[in-house]
Parts: sequence; structure tokens; C-alpha cells
Amino acid sequence: QKEVEQDPGPLSVPEGAIVSLNCTYSNSAFQYFMWYRQYSRKGPELLMYTYSSGNKEDGRFTAQVDKSSKYISLFIRDSQPSDSATYLCAMMKGNKLVFGAGTILRVKS
Amino acid sequence: GAVVSQHPSWVICKSGTSVKIECRSLDFQATTMFWYRQFPKQSLMLMATSNEGSKATYEQGVEKDKFLINHASLTLSTLTVTSAHPEDSSFYICSASREGSTDTQYFGPGTRLTVL
Repeated sequence: QKEVEQDPGPLSVPEGAIVSLNCTYSNSAFQYFMWYRQYSRKGPELLMYTYSSGNKEDGRFTAQVDKSSKYISLFIRDSQPSDSATYLCAMMKGNKLVFGAGTILRVKS
Repeated sequence: GAVVSQHPSWVICKSGTSVKIECRSLDFQATTMFWYRQFPKQSLMLMATSNEGSKATYEQGVEKDKFLINHASLTLSTLTVTSAHPEDSSFYICSASREGSTDTQYFGPGTRLTVL
């Protein structure tokens, strides 16, 4: 069983839709939870960073962590074609990041 | 701030040759740098962690004699793929964290290696 599970998609949505991306994890030792966006052939870019259960909002993005269920989500409101990318969840234990497989998101205009 | 660069951005080499990839933190001092490998349509897999001035710590299954890592200064780490083979073809990405802020990693743009 992988430590971090993420559906690879692809997920296709129309412009303006609300997007929900999710990851589950099995290791209670994870302390920090991140979401990265990666465009094709580029390095990952940090979008959101949380360390406690609950919601964190930044513009059109909301990160949600439920430690009791070992489940994290990223919501994107009013999705745009420029949001089309691969979204990777990542979790940290010690100073090591463990990534999910990444979900390919396609926002169609 | 917190910009990380990699050089080269892509490289093609013949089987059996060695390739060096550089990772630089441009506007901060990186006490710790990380090297990841990403195969097509797969996630990033940590290869090794390097701290300035000390030997790198390799993840299980990563050959330290094949993937040589040097972190000689607070702004530069290098990964050398020795005696490269076609199965080493991949996207190599480095990241760096600041002193005292190891919970945040800043990623480079990646280097695409193709071994013929």
C-alpha cells in the first residue's frame, strides 16, 4: 500500500466549475500537508501549505485537512483554463516530502 | 525570493557517459538540498538528501555509486549520473530548503535527461 494515494485522473471540467482534488494517506507521522501545481516539463510550484486539521483559503484555492480520516482536499473555485496542470499532494515527515501520484486537471474553455 | 535554478534544462547523452546536473539557490542559502526523479506520468520520488559539507543520504534502492551528489556550498549541489544507461532517462528535479525552515522546499525547474 502506498503511503499517499491520489487518483491520477485526468479530470476534465468546464471553465468556471468548482474542482475538488483529494488524497488519502496511511501514515499518522505526517505533519505537514502541501499541494503543488506542476505544468508539463516544469518543476512543482507550491500552492498551499497546512499543518492542522481544518480549512485554509487563499484566493480561489481552499485546502482542507481531516487528520482523523487521513484525508486532504484542494478546492479550486471558478476554474480557468490556466489552471490546467498536474496537481500533486505532498506530505512531510521529518524533512522528507512524500508525494501523491498527481491528478491531471484539464479546464476547458 | 526563494528561487532555485537547474542547469542544464535538458541533456541528451550516449550510453556509458556521465552527466552532471547543477542545482543552485539564487537568493538564499540552502543548508539542505534534495534530489528527486520523476518518470513520465508518475510522481516525484526522493533519491537523496544532501546537507552542505557532508555526505548525502540516499533513499533505499538508489545506488550511491551511480548517482553522485556533491553539496560543496550553501548555494550549489550537483548530481552526477555515472555510466548512464537508457533506463536512467528521466526528469530530475532538485529542491532546497533554508536554514531553520526545513518544512518548506523550493523546487527547481527540472532537468530532462535522455540517454541514447
